[in-house]
Amino acid sequence: KNQVEQSPQSLIILEGKNCTLQCNYTVSPFSNLRWYKQDTGRGPVSLTIMTFSENTKSNGRYTATLDADTKQSSLHITASQLSDSASYICVVSGRGGSYIPTFGRGTSLIVHP
Amino acid sequence: DSGVTQTPKHLITATGQRVTLRCSPRSGDLSVYWYQQSLDQGLQFLIQYYNGEERAKGNILERFSAQQFPDLHSELNLSSLELGDSALYFCASSVDSTMLAGGPQTQYFGPGTRLLVL
Repeated sequence: KNQVEQSPQSLIILEGKNCTLQCNYTVSPFSNLRWYKQDTGRGPVSLTIMTFSENTKSNGRYTATLDADTKQSSLHITASQLSDSASYICVVSGRGGSYIPTFGRGTSLIVHP
Repeated sequence: DSGVTQTPKHLITATGQRVTLRCSPRSGDLSVYWYQQSLDQGLQFLIQYYNGEERAKGNILERFSAQQFPDLHSELNLSSLELGDSALYFCASSVDSTMLAGGPQTQYFGPGTRLLVL
């Protein structure tokens, strides 16, 4: 069964600090991995999309990395801001019979002033 | 604002009832996706339509059905509602149908409909 595990479940950091969120998956064969940011009560917003051949993708202060060999991805947030407080969701899609996206449960990030 | 609209924003109903959720995709997007997000299950893909035709099916119950109309708006019908159907229901859209096949197209989510079944 395809699975996506995210860690930590929740994280509290001070404004201006950096943090890294982890995503491990078992989806195979792999097609793409997406990171979404979801503010409370709102729809997810796409941050990055990475395919098999990409090992890093940036979107402003967000940088995602992918290691397809170890089936791991990370999302690094630099110089955090209060507006970064949200849930960050990792989504992995496979190829062929595994094309239905598998969602992680998300990491809840709180940025304190 | 993603450009995807969903109505209603909130819906309260009783067990056994039937409701219809509506979604209008971004201008120019042909694919519509429905997702369910509950506290205990997280986000789950339900179903995808592309230009009026069903393209992919996920964990959608038989009590649920969806369709996409010629003007590309979509409706998700939930019937014989149970307490466990209480959740946020999101609609998303993308330009074409290749996202689920690994295409790089960005998927845009609507604000969701919060359904409470009492």
